[in-house]
Amino acid sequence: EPEVTQTPSHQVTQMGQEVILRCVPISNHLYFYWYRQILGQKVEFLVSFYNNEISEKSEIFDDQFSVERPDGSNFTLKIRSTKLEDSAMYFCASSREGDGYTFGSGTRLTVV
Amino acid sequence: DAKTTQPTSMDCAEGRAANLPCNHSTISGNEYVYWYRQIHSQGPQYIIHGLKNNETNEMASLIITEDRKSSTLILPHATLRDTAVYYCIVRDFILSGGYNKLIFGAGTRLAVHP
Repeated sequence: EPEVTQTPSHQVTQMGQEVILRCVPISNHLYFYWYRQILGQKVEFLVSFYNNEISEKSEIFDDQFSVERPDGSNFTLKIRSTKLEDSAMYFCASSREGDGYTFGSGTRLTVV
Repeated sequence: DAKTTQPTSMDCAEGRAANLPCNHSTISGNEYVYWYRQIHSQGPQYIIHGLKNNETNEMASLIITEDRKSSTLILPHATLRDTAVYYCIVRDFILSGGYNKLIFGAGTRLAVHP
């Protein structure tokens, strides 16, 4: 069964550093998403991406965040200057029109 | 905010059917009901979705009431591996672009015990 692949599975970074979280969506999917889940809290929408542009973003997705699909297969989330409160599980997902999403297994980001 | 209401937790004996209810009394005509689950801290897993009619797949059945204000996810023979948080999500589906976000609530924590 096709999978959404996320790397790394765990990243530790110092406050103020930039991190890039990587995702390889399912190859024939057209819609891409990032969600996050702070420990013990709900899964929260960050951003959706379609046709090489952001289609929707949440209030969480401020200027420190950016997304890119650099080469037609990878989909990345960049956090420019990490804060302690950015520590969370970050999930990438992809979908075709009308189908349920497929989520990756997540990247656990720890900011120290 | 999530447009659905679910019980916080439920228990089920292994091998028995697990029936997870969801209330979505404010659902509108073009909104689908989706179910996902999350096992421990893994990524949410799609289970099933429906609009009006009951749906069944290899994982579960979805029963939607005629007025569409509530639904029930049925796991016909629950196993220990079905222990997870189950999310009922109402999602607007736009035919021209299926990129509507999912809004997760707190879900129902299902514990399947031997």
